[in-house]
Amino acid sequence: AQTVTQSQPEMSVQEAETVTLSCTYDTSESDYYLFWYKQPPSRQMILVIRQEAYKQQNATENRFSVNFQKAAKSFSLKISDSQLGDAAMYFCAYGRSDGGSQGNLIFGKGTKLSVKP
Amino acid sequence: DTGVSQNPRHKITKRGQNVTFRCDPISEHNRLYWYRQTLGQGPEFLTYFQNEAQLEKSRLLSDRFSAERPKGSFSTLEIQRTEQGDSAMYLCASSLGWGPDTDTQYFGPGTRLTVL
Repeated sequence: AQTVTQSQPEMSVQEAETVTLSCTYDTSESDYYLFWYKQPPSRQMILVIRQEAYKQQNATENRFSVNFQKAAKSFSLKISDSQLGDAAMYFCAYGRSDGGSQGNLIFGKGTKLSVKP
Repeated sequence: DTGVSQNPRHKITKRGQNVTFRCDPISEHNRLYWYRQTLGQGPEFLTYFQNEAQLEKSRLLSDRFSAERPKGSFSTLEIQRTEQGDSAMYLCASSLGWGPDTDTQYFGPGTRLTVL
């Protein structure tokens, strides 16, 4: 069974600085998807960024980028120029590529990010 | 596109009572997912639908839980004979399908269940 581990329960960053959130996963599959979701306090979860395992190029979305190391099964999220609105719980998630039989996502326990003004 | 909506947002019930939650996905999204999230944890998968067909159920989904998605539109999640351990946030998500450009799951605000 696949598992997702986020080893940093809490992180803090100064506004305008850069922070990296860690995520490791375990799978025997060769093709899959990886996601980072953001859950602001009392608000719904939104997708930050996604990565297809077959793509070597790391995904980027504006200030958000990932460092995908397939051999190491590592998928970290880098937030550049941190803003107060980035404060939230961040969840790393794994999804199988053959979603026909298992379309669910497997989530880590999350990292709570605080942004200091 | 009004996003995924869930009702009610909060539900307080007494142990042993039955509760039902509703989820309205984004229109034209074929897939609908239910997750449960407890405090300090990430969401845990419960079940999902492809149109009206329930394709997978987690072992977390005991026989007290039942979900339906009639006509492939909205979905309901019913919990019978609630227990205190059922207290959690119940999240619904929908996606267009599965695969590149279609698998992004859009989440609703959740229904917070408190069982007294």
